[in-house]
Amino acid sequence: QQPVQSPQAVILREGEDAVINCSSSKALYSVHWYRQKHGEAPVFLMILLKGGEQKGHEKISASFNEKKQQSSLYLTASQLSYSGTYFCGSQAPGNQFYFGTGTSLTVIP
Amino acid sequence: NAGVTQTPKFQVLKTGQSMTLQCAQDMNHNSMYWYRQDPGMGLRLIYYSASEGTTDKGEVPNGYNVSRLNKREFSLRLESAAPSQTSVYFCASRNPAGPSNEKLFFGSGTQLSVL
Repeated sequence: QQPVQSPQAVILREGEDAVINCSSSKALYSVHWYRQKHGEAPVFLMILLKGGEQKGHEKISASFNEKKQQSSLYLTASQLSYSGTYFCGSQAPGNQFYFGTGTSLTVIP
Repeated sequence: NAGVTQTPKFQVLKTGQSMTLQCAQDMNHNSMYWYRQDPGMGLRLIYYSASEGTTDKGEVPNGYNVSRLNKREFSLRLESAAPSQTSVYFCASRNPAGPSNEKLFFGSGTQLSVL
């Protein structure tokens, strides 16, 4: 059930860009993205509700391809504060909610 | 504005002991969830409750039981703790019928060690 994310880990220098991918074997009706800092709970970033929809949050944006059952998170001009683990998430029938396998992002000066 | 309150924050158990993790939300959410997070494994769904009075198994329910006591509270019980249950546990809630497919709100987590 768990969506698969890639890459598993990425290291960036400040100012560089990154793309995190989320892929599911089951239909995605919506996709959530969360970021988790070490020792803290995940924090919501954005929801994508429609196929092909793109949403933005400061320099972090995302796309959702419902047909391909994929979503991508784009981080541009990365900052030190972007470091953390990123999770996609998706609702399944019956209000189950599953998270992806996670991507660890480290931004270095 | 407490949001989701989870207790305890830390717990150490011996193998075979039992305990209950408590979770309460004050946002009038219908759905509540319990996840466990192990290093490199992401968040895995243990049990969920779509609404008051209902509970269902998630991906990794073995060794756990849950109770949706009322709309606010959703507890997770370990009847006979095993070292494999050493993990960080998160409770979350949401209102999936909300206008924007509502996001999850998380508790601060419980770090559980079973020796």
